[in-house]
Amino acid sequence: QQKVQQSPESLSVPEGGMASLNCTSSDRNFQYFWWYRQHSGEGPKALMSIFSDGDKKEGRFTAHLNKASLHVSLHIRDSQPSDSALYFCAASAQYNQGKLIFGQGTKLSIKP
Amino acid sequence: DAGVTQTPRHEVAEKGQTIILKCEPVSGHNDLFWYRQTKIQGLELLSYFRSKSLMEDGGAFKDRFKAEMLNSSFSTLKIQPTEPKDSAVYLCASSFQTSSAETLYFGSGTRLTVL
Repeated sequence: QQKVQQSPESLSVPEGGMASLNCTSSDRNFQYFWWYRQHSGEGPKALMSIFSDGDKKEGRFTAHLNKASLHVSLHIRDSQPSDSALYFCAASAQYNQGKLIFGQGTKLSIKP
Repeated sequence: DAGVTQTPRHEVAEKGQTIILKCEPVSGHNDLFWYRQTKIQGLELLSYFRSKSLMEDGGAFKDRFKAEMLNSSFSTLKIQPTEPKDSAVYLCASSFQTSSAETLYFGSGTRLTVL
């Protein structure tokens, strides 16, 4: 059973709009989270990490973590066509341990 | 700075063949990972090395998959014998373990097609 579940599977957002992606860990041992983004033909690239309850903002990207429910979300404001990509949520058992368990990804399309 | 380099970018194999995928991690990184990516399963961990020592060999992938790290700057993933269900993108990633958040750096992957 997948330990990290993402939703939705795919999402279409108009340019300039807000995109919201969700992720839940089913294993309480995995409570440190990352978001990675993968453009077609490339490997995933790290967007941001979040380890504490609450919000973390980096530019147009805001992550929110609720440790009690092991739910993390990613919100992208003012979405741009270049944000069209596959977004992965990943979780680890320790913040400085590289072994990550990935979700299945959310395909985000930004429509001009 | 050079990122993670994977070769070849594409590989086509006949069922039953042996194939070897190659990876050069970012210089100075001490963690190296092999992942397999498919649309259905997403990213699955195959192997994990720390300072060249094998830390995890991916459980279900032990049978026909063997990753090696002969030195700190080169790793291989051997699949023997290949099966059509092995068709996927194989990703190598490296990172440097520190006391703060550890980020993985991925290569562009090798797309394997097994006929």
